[in-house]
Amino acid sequence: SQQGEEDPQALSIQEGENATMNCSYKTSINNLQWYRQNSGRGLVHLILIRSNEREKHSGRLRVTLDTSKKSSSLLITASRAADTASYFCATGDYNNNDMRFGAGTRLTVKP
Amino acid sequence: EPEVTQTPSHQVTQMGQEVILRCVPISNHLYFYWYRQILGQKVEFLVSFYNNEISEKSEIFDDQFSVERPDGSNFTLKIRSTKLEDSAMYFCASRNGVLTGNTIYFGEGSWLTVV
Repeated sequence: SQQGEEDPQALSIQEGENATMNCSYKTSINNLQWYRQNSGRGLVHLILIRSNEREKHSGRLRVTLDTSKKSSSLLITASRAADTASYFCATGDYNNNDMRFGAGTRLTVKP
Repeated sequence: EPEVTQTPSHQVTQMGQEVILRCVPISNHLYFYWYRQILGQKVEFLVSFYNNEISEKSEIFDDQFSVERPDGSNFTLKIRSTKLEDSAMYFCASRNGVLTGNTIYFGEGSWLTVV
């Protein structure tokens, strides 16, 4: 399986600061996706980066992918209290038939 | 924006009973998934489904579980003879399959409590 593992497990920052979360995986991938989950809610897709891409932006989100190190990072700039959630990376093979999730990073943004 | 819908949002069942969780994937999607998340733990893959058959399944998805697409819109997960440890949030997901490696969209989940 291509399970992602996030680091750190928990992160607490002040509103306005940047938050960086990392994801490592073990096998070759076709793509890597980041999701957000508010407590007790579903998974919201944030961004998908393909294995031939190195960086991708979406609003205040920046994702990087280093396939040589089998790692990815998610940067949230100018964080807001509403960004408080758990963030998961998930890696997929060519078919995304069994996309696997890591344990997530619990981000707390203090107002 | 199209979304994956799941029912019920919460179900309480007696141990040993059968449960059916229902999902309506996004209408033009071809690949369907079930995941579960035990409280406070990570999201675990259960099964993927394409062209009316199971594509992949995890070690969790044993004979207690089954999936079905009974018509053109619904995708169900049946859990037979439920156990206390089946208590979890169950997520349905889908993707369109037009592009390889494209986004998987999740529903809000069905919270199952086995008592």
